[in-house]
Amino acid sequence: IVLTQSPGTLSLSPGERATLSCRASQGVSSTYLAWYQQKPGQAPRLLIYGASGRATGIPDRFTGSGSGADFTLTISRLEPEDFAVYYCQHYGSLWTFGQGTKVEIK
Amino acid sequence: EGLLVESGGGSVQPGGSLRLSCAASGFSFSFTWMHWVRQGTGKGLVWVSGVSADGTTARYADSVKGRFTISRDNAQNTLYLQMNSLRGEDTAVYFCARGGRLGSFDDWGQGTLVTVAT
Repeated sequence: IVLTQSPGTLSLSPGERATLSCRASQGVSSTYLAWYQQKPGQAPRLLIYGASGRATGIPDRFTGSGSGADFTLTISRLEPEDFAVYYCQHYGSLWTFGQGTKVEIK
Repeated sequence: EGLLVESGGGSVQPGGSLRLSCAASGFSFSFTWMHWVRQGTGKGLVWVSGVSADGTTARYADSVKGRFTISRDNAQNTLYLQMNSLRGEDTAVYFCARGGRLGSFDDWGQGTLVTVAT
């Protein structure tokens, strides 16, 4: 399974809505699709598991959705701390990450 | 929330070996899969290897199969990665991660840097 994330970079202003895409090379079980946030110099942080479940402590402005081969992470209103790189990840027989989407300040 | 602390990184020549360790605390270590994930400078995340809770099942990315060995000591709450025949492309920060719900990675260490160069 190859996960392709788009766009590579998303330039937005605080308060705007961010929509990040993750497409699998073939249909996958949404049960095993996760999203992570990573800031420079830090370890990744789990945001979403099972395609739509929020991890502990994750604000409700982060929403995961999708099924089959297409998944989306939506940040309803960008806060300054949300500017970071986001990765999708799938577990099938092995574990796979997408290449990441950078959300930068416009 | 668990705490994971990696150690053992450093500089090594191509063809050399290193052993990474990850000390775990704050969760039931012996009941969860554990993993290594790496990240080259300015690059994305790449899953390297995972081991089952009891240590009997190991999985590897094709890029490291036959060269890396993952293991764990549940009595010491420690995860290991033995890396042999190291190559330049193995240069990366190596993160230890706790296997979580539905194939995700719940907790991450801060990483340890491995540099393979002459």
